[in-house]
Amino acid sequence: ETGVTQSPTHLIKTRGQQVTLRCSSQSGHNTVSWYQQALGQGPQFIFQYYREEENGRGNFPPRFSGLQFPNYSSELNVNALELDDSALYLCASSLARLAGGLSSYEQYFGPGTRLTVT
Amino acid sequence: QKEVEQDPGPLSVPEGAIVSLNCTYSNSAFQYFMWYRQYSRKGPELLMYTYSSGNKEDGRFTAQVDKSSKYISLFIRDSQPSDSATYLCARTSRETSGSRLTFGEGTQLTVNP
Repeated sequence: ETGVTQSPTHLIKTRGQQVTLRCSSQSGHNTVSWYQQALGQGPQFIFQYYREEENGRGNFPPRFSGLQFPNYSSELNVNALELDDSALYLCASSLARLAGGLSSYEQYFGPGTRLTVT
Repeated sequence: QKEVEQDPGPLSVPEGAIVSLNCTYSNSAFQYFMWYRQYSRKGPELLMYTYSSGNKEDGRFTAQVDKSSKYISLFIRDSQPSDSATYLCARTSRETSGSRLTFGEGTQLTVNP
């Protein structure tokens, strides 16, 4: 077990609704990244948070947004849900080291939240 | 062309076999390479990571990187039924805005007793 926790485990929402997913990072880690994993695919990077600010974003629309809190936990919010948003949402925590620039290569994943949009 | 290409399999081997899992990548920027194992309905688990070319060994697992051919491999010796999972290769590059993992689509492995 990595120590990264996510809630809820499963969620069923209707198209057009909004959802909030939560992640608690591993002790000692200061960076949280979110990924979307569709069935049979590898995870796709959504965005990363460091020191409560977005620190890199993948190819996802603005209706995907997030927060990081002072205790390094994080939320992923998705507005106006679409059927294609159905996926496993993964949170990964890591420790960013500032020597030579921001780096957080070793990312440890939580169990994920399975979102179904109907 | 995808940044990381991985044969999705499925791959089925008998217990005790040597398993070879492979990925190719297209971007030569500064980067680390990782292998993750993902059991059904679980999050990915970091198995190994490496930066330089050559081999890195950890128990029954060996990660190999060939930067000249942009090829990364994971070898599993004496495979066990408990190794049955999806194996994901990933790369990360240090960008000015942090590091993100780019994954292959995963290879589904079944080790038969």
